[in-house]
Amino acid sequence: EAGVTQFPSHSVIEKGQTVTLRCDPISGHDNLYWYRRVMGKEIKFLLHFVKESKQDESGMPNNRFLAERTGGTYSTLKVQPAELEDSGVYFCASSQLRGTGLAEQYFGPGTRLTVT
Amino acid sequence: GEDVEQSLFLSVREGDSSVINCTYTDSSSTYLYWYKQEPGAGLQLLTYIFSNMDMKQDQRLTVLLNKKDKHLSLRIADTQTGDSAIYFCAVTSLNNGGSQGNLIFGKGTKLSVKP
Repeated sequence: EAGVTQFPSHSVIEKGQTVTLRCDPISGHDNLYWYRRVMGKEIKFLLHFVKESKQDESGMPNNRFLAERTGGTYSTLKVQPAELEDSGVYFCASSQLRGTGLAEQYFGPGTRLTVT
Repeated sequence: GEDVEQSLFLSVREGDSSVINCTYTDSSSTYLYWYKQEPGAGLQLLTYIFSNMDMKQDQRLTVLLNKKDKHLSLRIADTQTGDSAIYFCAVTSLNNGGSQGNLIFGKGTKLSVKP
């Protein structure tokens, strides 16, 4: 079974540009989460989808970040315009909505975003 | 809000046991996790424990939970060089809908295993 995949693995953009990150969760996982780790800090929650709906977006830093999950499958996270402080590693995770796998949240390899 | 603390570094010799400690503040945390991150890789779910358990053992890994002190530990028996990685403690609780909420992470403990 394929794990959580993310694309691209690494992105280098200039300040003011736009970047879109993609996450494909494990098949059948209705819960999808975005997190990010800024250099030297903890991994911080950004938002949580249940299927196509935003369950919790309390961690989104500002309105330059837009997450979508049309159709309840893959998700995109767009940063527009990017700022220097957006640099970090963006992780996506997924889990089952219910059942014995409820507690198991699986992470993708992350996208390393560098804003210059 | 919830706060999760862990020491940043641990160094052990190959064959010894490693114990990585974590403290958290929210007593309503339902699930408590250990994730492993190897260099250049993502987060690997190692193990987790439900809040009504005191201990969970899985091969070389033993998780101990002291709810009174809000203390979680991960013991790795017979530590190998391949265990060198960053270990993250994380906690969560179920949201109102009964599904898993977001994880709150510690900063991670870098485990170095010397031959």
